[in-house]
Amino acid sequence: GAGVSQSPRYKVAKRGQDVALRCDPISGHVSLFWYQQALGQGPEFLTYFQNEAQLDKSGLPSDRFFAERPEGSVSTLKIQRTQQEDSAVYLCASSSSRTGANSPLHFGNGTRLTVT
Amino acid sequence: SQKIEQNSEALNIQEGKTATLTCNYTNYSPAYLQWYRQDPGRGPVFLLLIRENEKEKRKERLKVTFDTTLKQSLFHITASQPADSATYLCALASLYNQGGKLIFGQGTELSVKP
Repeated sequence: GAGVSQSPRYKVAKRGQDVALRCDPISGHVSLFWYQQALGQGPEFLTYFQNEAQLDKSGLPSDRFFAERPEGSVSTLKIQRTQQEDSAVYLCASSSSRTGANSPLHFGNGTRLTVT
Repeated sequence: SQKIEQNSEALNIQEGKTATLTCNYTNYSPAYLQWYRQDPGRGPVFLLLIRENEKEKRKERLKVTFDTTLKQSLFHITASQPADSATYLCALASLYNQGGKLIFGQGTELSVKP
């Protein structure tokens, strides 16, 4: 596709429900990143894939958060037993380089998660 | 601890003036610094990338400087227009730790009045 696509655009979950957020990166992009953005703040790093390998998951806030990219393209971020503090915008980005450092990140428009 | 700080207060300027946004960092040795623009309800959009051995980069009305001694980057928009109103994010990447991933500042909101 022309850009990074994320779905759903909005998600409302009751506390304790599990959610799954999808990211379709730009075709051929090696690296894929997930960020969490609270209102009025910058994006906070969650996790990073190079192809299907999850190379860094140091930003995942708890073991309720899990990400996968099984075939090196589409990625899913899963949050189990959602809590109110999980409410945020979840951004996905992809890059043609092996890290996000030396070339632009292309972001999707995010999934806004609201936990009630 | 590592920290990236951008002007926390919104910047309000008159159309036609130059906007200058600041990004300061501590306890980092970034190899690359990037600037992004973010509009409400949208993901960040890449603007410019500057390397640690570059002092300045320009693109049309945009200019970025990178001073590794002062640990600071300045982002300038010349001849600003109301369409430049947005939040601007700086982001750093160090190849020496953290796997080269980008770490973002909190952003500065710019408002350009006609």
